Amino acid sequence: NAGVTQTPKFQVLKTGQSMTLQCAQDMNHNSMYWYRQDPGMGLRLIYYSASEGTTDKGEVPNGYNVSRLNKREFSLRLESAAPSQTSVYFCASSAYPGQGHTEAFFGQGTRLTVV
Amino acid sequence: GENVEQHPSTLSVQEGDSAVIKCTYSDSASNYFPWYKQELGKGPQLIIDIRSNVGEKKDQRIAVTLNKTAKHFSLHITETQPEDSAVYFCVSGGGADGLTFGKGTHLIIQP
Repeated sequence: NAGVTQTPKFQVLKTGQSMTLQCAQDMNHNSMYWYRQDPGMGLRLIYYSASEGTTDKGEVPNGYNVSRLNKREFSLRLESAAPSQTSVYFCASSAYPGQGHTEAFFGQGTRLTVV
Repeated sequence: GENVEQHPSTLSVQEGDSAVIKCTYSDSASNYFPWYKQELGKGPQLIIDIRSNVGEKKDQRIAVTLNKTAKHFSLHITETQPEDSAVYFCVSGGGADGLTFGKGTHLIIQP
């Protein structure tokens, strides 16, 4: 079972470059999420999508865009990378709204460094 | 938005002893409280969860308690083992905007 798959696992960008982080889930989940994790800060929600075709801002959306390409895939784009976006990025999915909140499944993470 | 406070940030216990991590939340509409464990280099994984209509839940060595009136919930790990060493996150879930994480507790099991 693949679960949630993120690519790439590691990336180094120069300031001002752009890139797209890819995420796919094979559990037929409705909701998908992008979080960033910084030391001592826990996981903070960047964007989420409660269903195909809809996306909403989370706690820290500035500097990012997302696309819910279909039910399986949810991508995160950095248009002009900044050093403050150096972080570990996690994609997650859950069956919400289904029967209310249930377990969210996380990918392995993308470690991004912006120099 | 929702605010989740988690304490302590680091907890060191002797192998075999118990560990307790405490959290508070602010949104009275929150109704789902999972706990995630994150090992080095991996994504968080659910270890136990509790819903607002339940006060306590136990799964082998792990138990969670919830006090909705006080907006407190706690994780209890008994008979700790080396493999329990990890970062633990308490989480609050309410509406469609995902899950709000605490800042995490680094649990260290001393041999």
